[in-house]
Amino acid sequence: NAGVMQNPRHLVRRRGQEARLRCSPVKGHSHVYWYRQLPEEGLKFMVYLQKENIIDESGMPKERFSAEFPKEGPSILRIQQVVRGDSAAYFCASSPQGALLTDTQYFGPGTRLTVL
Amino acid sequence: AQSVSQHNHHVILSEAASLELGCNYSYGGTVNLFWYVQYPGQHLQLLLKYFSGDPLVKGIKGFEAEFIKSKFSFNLRKPSVQWSDTAEYFCAVNAGGTGNQFYFGTGTSLTVIP
Repeated sequence: NAGVMQNPRHLVRRRGQEARLRCSPVKGHSHVYWYRQLPEEGLKFMVYLQKENIIDESGMPKERFSAEFPKEGPSILRIQQVVRGDSAAYFCASSPQGALLTDTQYFGPGTRLTVL
Repeated sequence: AQSVSQHNHHVILSEAASLELGCNYSYGGTVNLFWYVQYPGQHLQLLLKYFSGDPLVKGIKGFEAEFIKSKFSFNLRKPSVQWSDTAEYFCAVNAGGTGNQFYFGTGTSLTVIP
């Protein structure tokens, strides 16, 4: 009965390095969402993906950030050349249908990224 | 832009006290409303949700929330809290026309003292 899995749970990077965050959705779910939670703030939507497609990336910073959800394997959120301001908790959520507004999202435990 | 406000950042209650956590949103159209809970060391879990129909929604663990359209509010309530309700509570809104975006409040930290 695996829920949404995220790894690593904690990631430490130095400025300028790359961070790769992984998310395995609930089995059978083909819709994935990524959120970022900065200190003292609520979760902020970043991107919504279906298998092999980016559906909505309106919440994603224009530079250095990218996301993918391949046909096989987990969804990846990639942050290139990290800066201190990227330090945050990154949450992944999945849903079985996604496009319907009534769909419930199931959240993973998050990855806490610390940039030194 | 849509926003969600949770005015209570930290709430401390004794067991058996009644709870009400405020949530207000800014969007004039159709909305879907959610409350999520995050227990210490665990991930976000859905507590309850409102899409349509009866504005008083019952959730798990004795929680309920009331959607008041005229006040743009979706406050969470529980008549008698328990120590195990200690957690972070997040209100979220999915606004019609914004597609897949969920807007979350900053959360309310609830501590229940035995």
